[in-house]
Amino acid sequence: EPEVTQTPSHQVTQMGQEVILRCVPISNHLYFYWYRQILGQKVEFLVSFYNNEISEKSEIFDDQFSVERPDGSNFTLKIRSTKLEDSAMYFCASRLIEQYFGPGTRLTVT
Amino acid sequence: DAKTTQPNSMESNEEEPVHLPCNHSTISGTDYIHWYRQLPSQGPEYVIHGLTSNVNNRMASLAIAEDRKSSTLILHRATLRDAAVYYCILRSQQGAQKLVFGQGTRLTINP
Repeated sequence: EPEVTQTPSHQVTQMGQEVILRCVPISNHLYFYWYRQILGQKVEFLVSFYNNEISEKSEIFDDQFSVERPDGSNFTLKIRSTKLEDSAMYFCASRLIEQYFGPGTRLTVT
Repeated sequence: DAKTTQPNSMESNEEEPVHLPCNHSTISGTDYIHWYRQLPSQGPEYVIHGLTSNVNNRMASLAIAEDRKSSTLILHRATLRDAAVYYCILRSQQGAQKLVFGQGTRLTINP
């Protein structure tokens, strides 16, 4: 069964550094999403992406965040200058009809 | 985004049916009712969805009240692997169709 994959599974970075989280969505899906989950809290929507542009973003998704689909298969989330409060699980999802989530990347900012 | 209300936690025994309730009194006519679950240390997983009629799939059944203000996710025969947080989410058919997660119901299955 096709699945969404994410790399790395765990990323440790220092405050102020740039990180790129990578996702490979399911191949025939057209809509792509990033969500995050701070430890012990709810899953929160960050951004949706369709037809090579952002279709919706949340208040969390400020100028420090960007998304890209560079090559038709990968979907990336970049955080330009990480803060301690960016530490969370980041989930990528893709959909044709229903959203399917990847296993997540645990980002730890020290 | 229309809100849903679920119990914080529920407990059941292995091999017994489980009924997980959800109230959504402010649902709009075009909102679909979705259920996702999140097993420990994993991403959310799609379970089932419906609009007005009851739905069945290999994972579960979804019973939707006639006025659509509530729904119940039914696991017919719970296993230990069904222990997870279950989320009832209303998804608009407009726009990006993002999922807005609440706190969900933490389901514990006793052996």
